[in-house]
Amino acid sequence: AQTVTQSQPEMSVQEAETVTLSCTYDTSESNYYLFWYKQPPSRQMILVIRQEAYKQQNATENRFSVNFQKAAKSFSLKISDSQLGDTAMYFCAGAGSYQLTFGKGTKLSVIP
Amino acid sequence: SQTIHQWPATLVQPVGSPLSLECTVEGTSNPNLYWYRQAAGRGLQLLFYSVGIGQISSEVPQNLSASRPQDRQFILSSKKLLLSDSGFYLCAWSGLNEQFFGPGTRLTVL
Repeated sequence: AQTVTQSQPEMSVQEAETVTLSCTYDTSESNYYLFWYKQPPSRQMILVIRQEAYKQQNATENRFSVNFQKAAKSFSLKISDSQLGDTAMYFCAGAGSYQLTFGKGTKLSVIP
Repeated sequence: SQTIHQWPATLVQPVGSPLSLECTVEGTSNPNLYWYRQAAGRGLQLLFYSVGIGQISSEVPQNLSASRPQDRQFILSSKKLLLSDSGFYLCAWSGLNEQFFGPGTRLTVL
Protein backbone atom coordinates (compact mmCIF):
# COMPACT_ATOMS: atom_id res chain seq x y z
CA ALA A 1 0.00 0.00 0.00
CA GLN A 2 1.25 3.48 -0.73
CA THR A 3 -0.43 5.17 2.21
CA VAL A 4 -1.84 3.74 5.40
CA THR A 5 -3.87 5.81 7.82
CA GLN A 6 -4.80 5.00 11.40
CA SER A 7 -7.07 7.75 12.72
CA GLN A 8 -7.24 6.63 16.35
CA PRO A 9 -4.03 7.53 18.22
CA GLU A 10 -5.29 5.98 21.46
CA MET A 11 -8.09 3.67 22.54
CA SER A 12 -9.06 1.83 25.68
CA VAL A 13 -11.26 -1.17 26.36
CA GLN A 14 -12.44 -3.01 29.41
CA GLU A 15 -11.04 -6.47 29.94
CA ALA A 16 -13.19 -9.15 28.28
CA GLU A 17 -14.88 -6.60 26.02
CA THR A 18 -14.50 -6.19 22.24
CA VAL A 19 -12.67 -3.36 20.53
CA THR A 20 -12.20 -2.41 16.88
CA LEU A 21 -9.19 -0.54 15.55
CA SER A 22 -9.58 1.32 12.27
CA CYS A 23 -7.27 1.50 9.28
CA THR A 24 -7.68 2.88 5.79
CA TYR A 25 -5.23 2.58 2.94
CA ASP A 26 -4.64 3.62 -0.59
CA THR A 27 -2.79 1.69 -3.27
CA SER A 28 -2.51 1.51 -7.02
CA GLU A 29 -1.62 -2.17 -7.02
CA SER A 30 -4.14 -4.80 -8.02
CA ASN A 31 -2.89 -7.47 -5.66
CA TYR A 32 -1.54 -6.67 -2.25
CA TYR A 33 -1.41 -7.81 1.34
CA LEU A 34 -2.47 -6.10 4.52
CA PHE A 35 -1.27 -6.78 8.04
CA TRP A 36 -1.78 -5.87 11.65
CA TYR A 37 1.25 -5.83 13.91
CA LYS A 38 1.32 -5.58 17.68
CA GLN A 39 4.10 -3.85 19.59
CA PRO A 40 3.88 -4.46 23.36
CA PRO A 41 5.99 -2.48 25.86
CA SER A 42 8.92 -4.80 25.09
CA ARG A 43 8.84 -3.15 21.62
CA GLN A 44 9.05 -6.48 19.81
CA MET A 45 6.97 -6.22 16.62
CA ILE A 46 4.65 -9.20 16.39
CA LEU A 47 2.58 -10.12 13.36
CA VAL A 48 -1.03 -10.50 14.47
CA ILE A 49 -2.93 -11.19 11.28
CA ARG A 50 -2.59 -10.96 7.50
CA GLN A 51 -5.13 -10.50 4.71
CA GLU A 52 -4.60 -11.16 1.02
CA ALA A 53 -6.50 -8.63 -1.04
CA TYR A 54 -7.78 -11.15 -3.58
CA LYS A 55 -9.45 -13.19 -0.83
CA GLN A 56 -12.94 -12.02 0.04
CA GLN A 57 -13.08 -13.95 3.27
CA ASN A 58 -11.97 -11.98 6.28
CA ALA A 59 -8.94 -13.40 8.10
CA THR A 60 -9.29 -14.70 11.64
CA GLU A 61 -6.68 -15.70 14.20
CA ASN A 62 -8.20 -16.82 17.48
CA ARG A 63 -9.56 -13.66 19.17
CA PHE A 64 -8.36 -11.41 16.34
CA SER A 65 -10.31 -10.85 13.16
CA VAL A 66 -10.39 -8.27 10.41
CA ASN A 67 -13.13 -6.53 8.51
CA PHE A 68 -11.68 -6.05 5.04
CA GLN A 69 -13.73 -3.74 2.82
CA LYS A 70 -11.80 -3.63 -0.44
CA ALA A 71 -13.98 -1.09 -2.23
CA ALA A 72 -13.82 1.27 0.73
CA LYS A 73 -10.10 0.51 1.23
CA SER A 74 -10.75 -0.20 4.86
CA PHE A 75 -9.04 -2.82 7.02
CA SER A 76 -10.13 -2.81 10.65
CA LEU A 77 -8.99 -5.13 13.43
CA LYS A 78 -11.43 -6.56 15.95
CA ILE A 79 -10.14 -7.93 19.22
CA SER A 80 -12.66 -10.05 21.10
CA ASP A 81 -12.52 -10.93 24.79
CA SER A 82 -9.75 -8.37 25.36
CA GLN A 83 -7.00 -9.43 27.72
CA LEU A 84 -4.50 -7.39 29.70
CA GLY A 85 -1.75 -8.76 27.47
CA ASP A 86 -3.38 -7.10 24.49
CA THR A 87 -2.19 -3.73 25.79
CA ALA A 88 0.18 -2.52 23.06
CA MET A 89 0.66 -0.32 20.06
CA TYR A 90 -1.07 -1.72 17.00
CA PHE A 91 0.19 -0.92 13.52
CA CYS A 92 -1.66 -1.46 10.29
CA ALA A 93 0.60 -2.12 7.29
CA GLY A 94 0.30 -2.75 3.59
CA ALA A 95 2.72 -4.66 1.39
CA GLY A 96 3.88 -3.29 -1.90
CA SER A 97 6.88 -4.27 -3.92
CA TYR A 98 9.55 -5.33 -1.39
CA GLN A 99 8.26 -2.90 1.21
CA LEU A 100 5.71 -2.48 3.93
CA THR A 101 4.04 0.85 4.53
CA PHE A 102 3.01 1.35 8.15
CA GLY A 103 0.37 3.53 9.72
CA LYS A 104 1.30 5.68 12.70
CA GLY A 105 -0.23 3.25 15.15
CA THR A 106 -2.99 3.05 17.73
CA LYS A 107 -2.12 2.73 21.38
CA LEU A 108 -4.56 0.29 22.97
CA SER A 109 -4.94 0.04 26.72
CA VAL A 110 -6.90 -2.84 28.25
CA ILE A 111 -8.38 -1.79 31.58
CA PRO A 112 -8.86 -4.42 34.31
CA SER B 1 12.03 -22.30 12.05
CA GLN B 2 13.37 -18.88 11.25
CA THR B 3 14.86 -16.60 13.88
CA ILE B 4 16.29 -13.13 13.69
CA HIS B 5 18.90 -11.70 16.03
CA GLN B 6 19.99 -8.17 16.70
CA TRP B 7 22.78 -6.84 18.85
CA PRO B 8 23.47 -5.02 20.91
CA ALA B 9 20.11 -4.68 22.65
CA THR B 10 20.96 -1.24 24.01
CA LEU B 11 23.68 1.22 23.19
CA VAL B 12 24.69 4.61 24.52
CA GLN B 13 27.14 6.50 22.35
CA PRO B 14 28.57 10.03 22.32
CA VAL B 15 27.93 12.38 19.43
CA GLY B 16 30.55 11.93 16.74
CA SER B 17 31.33 8.31 17.56
CA PRO B 18 30.93 5.47 15.03
CA LEU B 19 28.10 2.96 15.03
CA SER B 20 27.70 -0.65 14.01
CA LEU B 21 24.48 -2.58 14.56
CA GLU B 22 24.27 -6.16 13.42
CA CYS B 23 21.36 -8.29 12.35
CA THR B 24 21.48 -11.98 11.43
CA VAL B 25 18.77 -14.35 10.28
CA GLU B 26 18.70 -18.11 10.73
CA GLY B 27 16.60 -20.76 9.08
CA THR B 28 16.06 -19.14 5.71
CA SER B 29 18.10 -18.32 2.65
CA ASN B 30 18.17 -15.25 0.44
CA PRO B 31 15.72 -13.25 2.54
CA ASN B 32 14.87 -9.62 1.90
CA LEU B 33 16.31 -7.65 4.82
CA TYR B 34 15.24 -4.30 6.23
CA TRP B 35 16.38 -1.66 8.70
CA TYR B 36 13.77 0.56 10.35
CA ARG B 37 14.00 3.35 12.87
CA GLN B 38 11.27 4.14 15.34
CA ALA B 39 11.29 7.37 17.32
CA ALA B 40 9.60 7.31 20.73
CA GLY B 41 5.83 6.90 20.37
CA ARG B 42 6.02 7.03 16.59
CA GLY B 43 5.63 4.74 13.63
CA LEU B 44 8.33 2.92 11.71
CA GLN B 45 10.54 4.64 9.18
CA LEU B 46 12.18 2.41 6.59
CA LEU B 47 15.88 3.23 6.31
CA PHE B 48 17.35 0.54 4.05
CA TYR B 49 16.39 -2.69 2.42
CA SER B 50 18.35 -5.39 0.66
CA VAL B 51 17.24 -8.09 -1.75
CA GLY B 52 20.63 -9.81 -1.90
CA ILE B 53 24.30 -9.73 -0.95
CA GLY B 54 25.81 -6.34 -1.69
CA GLN B 55 22.46 -4.92 -2.85
CA ILE B 56 21.32 -2.01 -0.70
CA SER B 57 18.53 0.46 -1.32
CA SER B 58 18.29 3.61 0.76
CA GLU B 59 14.92 5.15 1.45
CA VAL B 60 15.93 8.41 3.07
CA PRO B 61 19.08 10.52 2.94
CA GLN B 62 20.77 10.38 6.28
CA ASN B 63 23.86 9.92 8.34
CA LEU B 64 23.62 6.14 8.20
CA SER B 65 24.69 3.41 5.79
CA ALA B 66 23.98 -0.29 5.47
CA SER B 67 25.85 -3.29 4.18
CA ARG B 68 25.06 -6.93 3.52
CA PRO B 69 28.32 -8.85 3.50
CA GLN B 70 26.66 -12.26 3.75
CA ASP B 71 23.31 -13.67 2.73
CA ARG B 72 21.85 -13.57 6.23
CA GLN B 73 23.76 -10.66 7.73
CA PHE B 74 22.72 -7.03 7.59
CA ILE B 75 24.74 -4.25 9.20
CA LEU B 76 23.76 -0.66 9.96
CA SER B 77 26.63 1.79 10.34
CA SER B 78 27.55 5.38 10.86
CA LYS B 79 30.93 7.09 10.82
CA LYS B 80 29.80 9.93 13.11
CA LEU B 81 26.61 9.77 15.13
CA LEU B 82 24.29 12.74 15.50
CA LEU B 83 21.86 13.43 18.35
CA SER B 84 19.03 12.87 15.87
CA ASP B 85 20.20 9.28 15.32
CA SER B 86 18.79 8.30 18.71
CA GLY B 87 15.91 5.87 18.47
CA PHE B 88 14.85 2.27 18.34
CA TYR B 89 16.28 0.33 15.41
CA LEU B 90 14.53 -2.71 14.10
CA CYS B 91 15.80 -5.27 11.62
CA ALA B 92 13.32 -7.39 9.69
CA TRP B 93 13.32 -10.14 7.10
CA SER B 94 10.70 -11.23 4.62
CA GLY B 95 10.23 -14.21 2.42
CA LEU B 96 7.16 -13.32 0.39
CA ASN B 97 5.11 -10.49 1.81
CA GLU B 98 4.94 -10.29 5.58
CA GLN B 99 7.94 -9.15 7.54
CA PHE B 100 9.29 -10.61 10.75
CA PHE B 101 11.15 -8.41 13.15
CA GLY B 102 14.09 -8.76 15.45
CA PRO B 103 14.02 -7.63 19.09
CA GLY B 104 15.48 -4.23 18.25
CA THR B 105 18.33 -2.03 19.46
CA ARG B 106 17.71 1.04 21.60
CA LEU B 107 20.30 3.66 20.65
CA THR B 108 20.85 6.77 22.73
CA VAL B 109 23.23 9.40 21.42
CA LEU B 110 24.44 11.85 24.06
